[in-house]
Amino acid sequence: DTAVSQTPKYLVTQMGNDKSIKCEQNLGHDTMYWYKQDSKKFLKIMFSYNNKELIINETVPNRFSPKSPDKAHLNLHINSLELGDSAVYFCASRAPGGGEKLFFGSGTQLSVL
Amino acid sequence: AQSVTQPDIHITVSEGASLELRCNYSYGATPYLFWYVQSPGQGLQLLLKYFSGDTLVQGIKGFEAEFKRSQSSFNLRKPSVHWSDAAEYFCAVGYFSGGGADGLTFGKGTHLIIQP
Repeated sequence: DTAVSQTPKYLVTQMGNDKSIKCEQNLGHDTMYWYKQDSKKFLKIMFSYNNKELIINETVPNRFSPKSPDKAHLNLHINSLELGDSAVYFCASRAPGGGEKLFFGSGTQLSVL
Repeated sequence: AQSVTQPDIHITVSEGASLELRCNYSYGATPYLFWYVQSPGQGLQLLLKYFSGDTLVQGIKGFEAEFKRSQSSFNLRKPSVHWSDAAEYFCAVGYFSGGGADGLTFGKGTHLIIQP
Protein backbone atom coordinates (compact mmCIF):
# COMPACT_ATOMS: atom_id res chain seq x y z
CA ASP A 1 0.00 0.00 0.00
CA THR A 2 1.24 3.46 -0.85
CA ALA A 3 1.88 5.41 2.35
CA VAL A 4 1.72 8.93 0.91
CA SER A 5 0.00 9.30 -2.43
CA GLN A 6 -0.33 12.33 -4.64
CA THR A 7 -2.51 12.92 -7.63
CA PRO A 8 -2.02 13.73 -10.37
CA LYS A 9 1.53 12.63 -11.09
CA TYR A 10 1.74 15.05 -14.02
CA LEU A 11 -0.18 18.27 -14.47
CA VAL A 12 0.10 20.48 -17.53
CA THR A 13 -1.90 23.68 -17.63
CA GLN A 14 -1.94 27.20 -18.95
CA MET A 15 -1.04 30.41 -17.20
CA GLY A 16 -3.85 31.95 -15.23
CA ASN A 17 -5.63 28.70 -14.48
CA ASP A 18 -6.48 27.40 -11.02
CA LYS A 19 -5.42 23.88 -10.18
CA SER A 20 -5.26 21.49 -7.23
CA ILE A 21 -2.96 18.69 -6.24
CA LYS A 22 -4.27 16.09 -3.85
CA CYS A 23 -2.32 14.35 -1.13
CA GLU A 24 -3.42 11.51 1.07
CA GLN A 25 -1.54 9.56 3.70
CA ASN A 26 -2.73 6.30 5.22
CA LEU A 27 -0.15 6.22 8.01
CA GLY A 28 -2.19 7.93 10.71
CA HIS A 29 0.29 10.80 10.80
CA ASP A 30 -0.78 14.13 12.21
CA THR A 31 1.64 16.45 10.44
CA MET A 32 1.74 16.96 6.71
CA TYR A 33 3.86 19.12 4.45
CA TRP A 34 4.17 20.48 0.98
CA TYR A 35 7.59 20.93 -0.58
CA LYS A 36 8.53 22.49 -3.89
CA GLN A 37 11.46 21.24 -5.95
CA ASP A 38 12.61 23.69 -8.56
CA SER A 39 14.34 23.01 -11.86
CA LYS A 40 17.70 22.98 -10.10
CA LYS A 41 16.46 20.22 -7.83
CA PHE A 42 16.39 22.46 -4.77
CA LEU A 43 13.73 21.36 -2.26
CA LYS A 44 12.03 24.03 -0.21
CA ILE A 45 9.31 23.69 2.38
CA MET A 46 6.10 25.51 1.56
CA PHE A 47 3.70 24.55 4.33
CA SER A 48 3.43 22.39 7.37
CA TYR A 49 0.05 21.50 8.83
CA ASN A 50 -0.45 19.98 12.26
CA ASN A 51 -3.70 19.65 14.18
CA LYS A 52 -5.30 22.44 12.22
CA GLU A 53 -2.31 24.71 12.72
CA LEU A 54 -0.89 25.90 9.45
CA ILE A 55 2.66 27.14 9.25
CA ILE A 56 3.45 28.98 6.08
CA ASN A 57 6.84 29.67 4.61
CA GLU A 58 6.79 33.42 4.22
CA THR A 59 8.24 33.21 0.71
CA VAL A 60 5.24 31.30 -0.62
CA PRO A 61 2.85 33.49 -2.65
CA ASN A 62 -0.68 33.70 -1.32
CA ARG A 63 -1.87 32.17 -4.58
CA PHE A 64 -0.92 28.89 -2.93
CA SER A 65 -3.26 27.58 -0.27
CA PRO A 66 -3.32 24.21 1.45
CA LYS A 67 -6.66 22.69 2.38
CA SER A 68 -7.07 19.85 4.85
CA PRO A 69 -10.53 18.29 4.75
CA ASP A 70 -9.43 15.72 7.31
CA LYS A 71 -6.33 14.48 9.05
CA ALA A 72 -5.34 12.18 6.20
CA HIS A 73 -5.45 14.78 3.45
CA LEU A 74 -3.61 17.97 2.65
CA ASN A 75 -4.45 19.29 -0.78
CA LEU A 76 -2.62 22.12 -2.48
CA HIS A 77 -4.63 24.73 -4.36
CA ILE A 78 -2.91 27.13 -6.70
CA ASN A 79 -4.70 30.13 -8.16
CA SER A 80 -3.70 32.15 -11.21
CA LEU A 81 -0.85 29.88 -12.17
CA GLU A 82 2.35 31.51 -13.38
CA LEU A 83 5.24 30.16 -15.45
CA GLY A 84 7.46 30.21 -12.39
CA ASP A 85 5.17 27.78 -10.62
CA SER A 86 6.45 25.01 -12.85
CA ALA A 87 8.17 22.57 -10.54
CA VAL A 88 7.76 19.23 -8.82
CA TYR A 89 5.63 19.40 -5.70
CA PHE A 90 6.08 16.83 -2.97
CA CYS A 91 3.71 16.03 -0.18
CA ALA A 92 5.08 14.48 3.01
CA SER A 93 3.85 13.38 6.38
CA ARG A 94 5.34 12.78 9.81
CA ALA A 95 4.29 10.55 12.66
CA PRO A 96 2.80 11.98 15.85
CA GLY A 97 4.88 12.26 18.97
CA GLY A 98 7.85 13.79 17.29
CA GLY A 99 8.92 10.96 15.07
CA GLU A 100 11.35 12.71 12.82
CA LYS A 101 11.17 10.57 9.74
CA LEU A 102 9.24 12.15 6.90
CA PHE A 103 7.47 10.01 4.39
CA PHE A 104 7.32 11.55 0.94
CA GLY A 105 4.89 11.13 -1.87
CA SER A 106 6.21 10.46 -5.36
CA GLY A 107 5.73 14.04 -6.46
CA THR A 108 3.56 15.94 -8.91
CA GLN A 109 5.29 17.50 -11.87
CA LEU A 110 3.51 20.75 -12.68
CA SER A 111 4.17 22.39 -16.02
CA VAL A 112 2.67 25.82 -16.66
CA LEU A 113 2.59 26.82 -20.31
CA ALA B 1 18.11 29.39 10.99
CA GLN B 2 19.24 25.99 9.85
CA SER B 3 21.01 25.43 6.56
CA VAL B 4 22.61 22.60 4.65
CA THR B 5 25.47 22.85 2.20
CA GLN B 6 26.36 20.20 -0.32
CA PRO B 7 29.48 21.63 -1.94
CA ASP B 8 29.55 19.25 -4.92
CA ILE B 9 26.87 19.79 -7.53
CA HIS B 10 28.07 16.88 -9.68
CA ILE B 11 30.29 13.92 -8.88
CA THR B 12 31.45 11.29 -11.35
CA VAL B 13 32.62 7.94 -10.05
CA SER B 14 33.64 4.77 -11.82
CA GLU B 15 31.55 1.71 -11.17
CA GLY B 16 33.09 -0.28 -8.33
CA ALA B 17 34.94 2.70 -6.92
CA SER B 18 34.28 4.19 -3.50
CA LEU B 19 32.09 7.21 -3.00
CA GLU B 20 31.90 10.07 -0.55
CA LEU B 21 29.31 12.83 -0.78
CA ARG B 22 29.87 15.83 1.41
CA CYS B 23 27.33 17.58 3.58
CA ASN B 24 27.78 20.41 6.06
CA TYR B 25 25.00 21.78 8.19
CA SER B 26 24.29 24.75 10.36
CA TYR B 27 21.86 24.29 13.22
CA GLY B 28 21.58 25.75 16.69
CA ALA B 29 20.74 22.55 18.52
CA THR B 30 21.40 18.85 18.21
CA PRO B 31 20.60 18.12 14.60
CA TYR B 32 18.51 15.41 13.10
CA LEU B 33 20.32 14.56 9.88
CA PHE B 34 19.13 12.69 6.85
CA TRP B 35 20.27 11.52 3.45
CA TYR B 36 17.69 11.05 0.74
CA VAL B 37 18.10 9.70 -2.78
CA GLN B 38 16.01 10.68 -5.76
CA SER B 39 16.21 8.59 -8.92
CA PRO B 40 15.17 10.25 -12.20
CA GLY B 41 11.46 10.93 -12.23
CA GLN B 42 11.01 9.42 -8.80
CA GLY B 43 10.22 10.68 -5.33
CA LEU B 44 12.51 10.85 -2.37
CA GLN B 45 13.71 7.72 -0.64
CA LEU B 46 15.31 7.84 2.78
CA LEU B 47 18.77 6.26 2.81
CA LEU B 48 19.64 6.80 6.45
CA LYS B 49 19.22 9.14 9.38
CA TYR B 50 21.06 10.25 12.47
CA PHE B 51 19.35 11.33 15.66
CA SER B 52 21.76 10.41 18.43
CA GLY B 53 24.10 7.69 19.61
CA ASP B 54 26.65 6.03 17.37
CA THR B 55 27.96 8.63 14.98
CA LEU B 56 28.40 6.10 12.18
CA VAL B 57 25.02 5.13 10.83
CA GLN B 58 24.21 2.41 8.37
CA GLY B 59 21.54 2.80 5.76
CA ILE B 60 19.97 0.94 2.92
CA LYS B 61 21.70 -0.06 -0.30
CA GLY B 62 25.09 -0.32 1.39
CA PHE B 63 25.35 3.36 2.29
CA GLU B 64 26.69 4.73 5.54
CA ALA B 65 27.22 8.21 6.93
CA GLU B 66 29.31 9.64 9.71
CA PHE B 67 28.24 12.50 11.92
CA LYS B 68 31.13 14.74 12.99
CA ARG B 69 29.95 17.43 15.32
CA SER B 70 33.29 19.25 15.37
CA GLN B 71 33.13 19.66 11.61
CA SER B 72 29.35 20.08 11.36
CA SER B 73 29.43 17.40 8.72
CA PHE B 74 27.41 14.34 7.80
CA ASN B 75 29.15 12.81 4.80
CA LEU B 76 27.65 9.88 2.93
CA ARG B 77 29.86 6.99 1.87
CA LYS B 78 29.68 3.77 -0.05
CA PRO B 79 32.65 1.43 -0.53
CA SER B 80 31.73 0.29 -4.03
CA VAL B 81 29.16 1.99 -6.23
CA HIS B 82 26.89 0.31 -8.72
CA TRP B 83 25.47 1.81 -11.90
CA SER B 84 22.05 1.82 -10.23
CA ASP B 85 23.36 4.33 -7.67
CA ALA B 86 23.27 7.09 -10.28
CA ALA B 87 20.79 9.58 -8.87
CA GLU B 88 20.42 12.86 -7.04
CA TYR B 89 21.39 12.79 -3.38
CA PHE B 90 20.04 15.21 -0.82
CA CYS B 91 21.31 15.89 2.64
CA ALA B 92 18.78 17.39 5.06
CA VAL B 93 18.62 18.69 8.60
CA GLY B 94 15.42 18.27 10.51
CA TYR B 95 14.00 20.79 12.91
CA PHE B 96 11.22 19.48 15.06
CA SER B 97 10.09 21.78 17.80
CA GLY B 98 6.78 20.08 18.46
CA GLY B 99 4.95 23.36 18.43
CA GLY B 100 6.25 25.67 15.77
CA ALA B 101 7.25 25.39 12.17
CA ASP B 102 8.97 22.15 11.51
CA GLY B 103 10.15 19.95 8.72
CA LEU B 104 13.35 19.42 6.82
CA THR B 105 15.78 21.85 5.28
CA PHE B 106 17.43 20.31 2.26
CA GLY B 107 20.76 20.91 0.64
CA LYS B 108 20.76 21.64 -3.09
CA GLY B 109 21.65 18.10 -3.94
CA THR B 110 24.59 16.28 -5.51
CA HIS B 111 24.12 14.63 -8.87
CA LEU B 112 25.99 11.32 -8.95
CA ILE B 113 27.13 10.00 -12.30
CA ILE B 114 28.47 6.48 -12.59
CA GLN B 115 30.78 5.75 -15.47
CA PRO B 116 31.50 2.22 -16.67
